[in-house]
Amino acid sequence: EPEVTQTPSHQVTQMGQEVILRCVPISNHLYFYWYRQILRQKVEFLVSFYNNEISEKSEIFDDQFSVERPDGSNFTLKIRSTKLEDSAMYFCASSDGAGSNEKLFFGSGTQLSVL
Amino acid sequence: SQQGEEDPQALSIQEGENATMNCSYKTSINNLQWYRQNSGRGLVHLILIRSNEREKHSGRLRVTLDTSKKSSSLLITASRAADTASYFCATDNWDSGAGSYQLTFGKGTKLSVIP
Repeated sequence: EPEVTQTPSHQVTQMGQEVILRCVPISNHLYFYWYRQILRQKVEFLVSFYNNEISEKSEIFDDQFSVERPDGSNFTLKIRSTKLEDSAMYFCASSDGAGSNEKLFFGSGTQLSVL
Repeated sequence: SQQGEEDPQALSIQEGENATMNCSYKTSINNLQWYRQNSGRGLVHLILIRSNEREKHSGRLRVTLDTSKKSSSLLITASRAADTASYFCATDNWDSGAGSYQLTFGKGTKLSVIP
């Protein structure tokens, strides 16, 4: 079964450094998302992306965050200058459509630790 | 904002027993979804129930939806040790005008099934 893959599985960085989290969505999917989860608690929406542009973002997704689809397969989340509170598990997800009744397919996540 | 809130936060049962988890939300929805998360892994879609449906079954899963009470329940019958995981409800927020879509997750119920 096709799946969403994320790399790396763990990322440790120093506060103030830039990190790029990488995702390969399911190949025929057109809608992409980033979520994060702090300490295995609530799963928080960050951003959705379609047709090479952001379609929606949350208040968490401030100017330090950016997303990009650099080629036909990768979808990246960049955090420009990491803060301690950015430590979380970051999940990429994709879906083959948008709108009601769409289910999301999630990757296994990247655990980001900011020291 | 819409928000699924599950209860209980944690549930521990014996193998073979039924497990019931509840979810409440605040605003009107198009659909409600349940996801499962194994420890340290991504979320896996279990079942989707539309706002005009009251009950849905999938294998050992039974989901109910009461839109008047803004609540849903997930019942797992004849539980197995392999059902041990966290379970999240998610409400959709589909804006057809803006073409944007996101799921809003709750904090989850951590289910432990003891062999």
